Amino acid sequence: AQSVTQPDIHITVSEGASLELRCNYSYGATPYLFWYVQSPGQGLQLLLKYFSGDTLVQGIKGFEAEFKRSQSSFNLRKPSVHWSDAAEYFCAVGVGSNKLVFGAGTILRVKS
Amino acid sequence: GAGVSQSPRYKVTKRGQDVTLRCDPISSHATLYWYQQALGQGPEFLTYFNYEAQPDKSGLPSDRFSAERPEGSISTLTIQRTEQRDSAMYRCASSRAAGVQETQYFGPGTRLLVL
Repeated sequence: AQSVTQPDIHITVSEGASLELRCNYSYGATPYLFWYVQSPGQGLQLLLKYFSGDTLVQGIKGFEAEFKRSQSSFNLRKPSVHWSDAAEYFCAVGVGSNKLVFGAGTILRVKS
Repeated sequence: GAGVSQSPRYKVTKRGQDVTLRCDPISSHATLYWYQQALGQGPEFLTYFNYEAQPDKSGLPSDRFSAERPEGSISTLTIQRTEQRDSAMYRCASSRAAGVQETQYFGPGTRLLVL
């Protein structure tokens, strides 16, 4: 069955430090992959998505993610974290024609 | 509208009562999704609509759950005879067209608590 694993439930980084959030997926076909961010009281917002082509994708707010087929991974990165990046981050894989399967999320805390 | 809206934002109900949640998608968006998000988990797909058609109900956990989108715009999710395990955040999303490659825009959610 299709699944997404985000191994880290919580991550704390210092403001200005680099960030990497891990995501591993299980899906038989070529995956469509997504990263969403959820701020308190807000809906989920799409950061970036990967369908095909260049395996390094750029998103909003300075985020990027790299698709590695050999590792079934789609890790999210940011070179320098800002306090406003504190939120919960969800990785998702597109399944079939319309369904998204989400991971359990990683809560990012930014310390000053 | 400018974004996806959901109402109510919070709902507290007693076990056995029926509840109806509402989603107002982005105007002109053809496709609408419902997700259930338990505490500490990611959203789980319940069902989706393409206009008023409902091609996939596979995620609805039981026949107590039903959804409608009679005119292809606003949608409701109804839970009959609520149980405590139904307590969760219910999220609605809409997209311009059907297809997993289309960006889904999420509403703020309705937090349901069943006592």
